[in-house]
Amino acid sequence: DAGVIQSPRHEVTEMGQEVTLRCKPISGHNSLFWYRQTMMRGLELLIYFNNNVPIDDSGMPEDRFSAKMPNASFSTLKIQPSEPRDSAVYFCASSARLAGARTDTQYFGPGTRLTVL
Amino acid sequence: DAKTTQPTSMDCAEGRAANLPCNHSTISGNEYVYWYRQIHSQGPQYIIHGLKNNETNEMASLIITEDRKSSTLILPHATLRDTAVYYCIVRRSGANSKLTFGKGITLSVRP
Repeated sequence: DAGVIQSPRHEVTEMGQEVTLRCKPISGHNSLFWYRQTMMRGLELLIYFNNNVPIDDSGMPEDRFSAKMPNASFSTLKIQPSEPRDSAVYFCASSARLAGARTDTQYFGPGTRLTVL
Repeated sequence: DAKTTQPTSMDCAEGRAANLPCNHSTISGNEYVYWYRQIHSQGPQYIIHGLKNNETNEMASLIITEDRKSSTLILPHATLRDTAVYYCIVRRSGANSKLTFGKGITLSVRP
């Protein structure tokens, strides 16, 4: 199994530019999560999808951030326009909730390190 | 979700067992105890989870006290590659429940 795949692994951009981060979840998983990690705030959940539908986006910091999941095998997190304070490592995770199961396990990708100058 | 309390850091010698404690005194009956770890510059890695019974897998053992107010993650034979931040997380069962990461405990395995 390839695991969760994220691209790019590193992104350096200038303030004001649009940034798009990509995620391919583990095949067969029906939930997808986007997290952000900084030294100051630690690991925070931004948004998560279940069966391609956004369930909770309360962690999305502001309107500059948007996330989509057009199909079960692909999701994007877009920042437009980007600001220096968006510099962080962004992780994608996926999970599969089995029928009748009371819980599931999230598996994380390697992350995208974003630097906004 | 219930909060957890972990020491900031600990170390152990390579080859010895590493026992990582976690307090979750406000845990409720439908909340699981999850452990993840994050090796430097990598994504968090799932280790193990449990509800009330002790659990063991190829990575570790999870010991949950009878009152469920605390637990211990045991790495039976720590290696240098086990140096990481370990997160103890309490998470309720059911759809759409979140993983909320705290600061974790930094485990340093020394040669």
